[in-house]
Amino acid sequence: DVKVTQSSRYLVKRTGEKVFLECVQDMDHENMFWYRQDPGLGLRLIYFSYDVKMKEKGDIPEGYSVSREKKERFSLILESASTNQTSMYLCASGISGDVSEAFFGQGTRLTVV
Amino acid sequence: GQNIDQPTEMTATEGAIVQINCTYQTSGFNGLFWYQQHAGEAPTFLSYNVLDGLEEKGRFSSFLSRSKGYSYLLLKELQMKDSASYLCASMDSNYQLIWGAGTKLIIKP
Repeated sequence: DVKVTQSSRYLVKRTGEKVFLECVQDMDHENMFWYRQDPGLGLRLIYFSYDVKMKEKGDIPEGYSVSREKKERFSLILESASTNQTSMYLCASGISGDVSEAFFGQGTRLTVV
Repeated sequence: GQNIDQPTEMTATEGAIVQINCTYQTSGFNGLFWYQQHAGEAPTFLSYNVLDGLEEKGRFSSFLSRSKGYSYLLLKELQMKDSASYLCASMDSNYQLIWGAGTKLIIKP
């Protein structure tokens, strides 16, 4: 079974803190993605990566950065957390060239107070 | 612009059939996905259509009409465990998924 694991299920952080969300996949997938999911909105792509050390901005990259030092790990960084970044964050991975599906982690519900 | 539309919420009865519609408008098209998401959990893959027609997979079927920019997910013999949100997503010419907001399906006994 493909496994995508996010480091935390629930997280509470203070405004202005630097926040790291970690994601690890065990299927040697080239592609990894970070989304946020808010009520009434579809999943919105923050950043994605097609290879180690490679990153591309998605639709809403402002206030976020990412790191992909190893193929299996894709980290999302909130440089200075703000209350409008309170959301569910979902990591996903998939195989380059195979568009059949993406595998999601269990999600991290982040609350910024 | 790119847009995915699906109903916000639907209600159906256990044992019945329900059809969840999705219309899409994306820059290029490389397939239409349906995912299921139970409350508080990650989305899980249900189906992928890239050619016109109906794909059947057990109690679930998915239909695509590329000329109409339209898809539906058909769920038969509904069970209480089918209560979930159903997400429609279109893959654009850059192989990026454009997501709808999801349809919350409520199953009543």
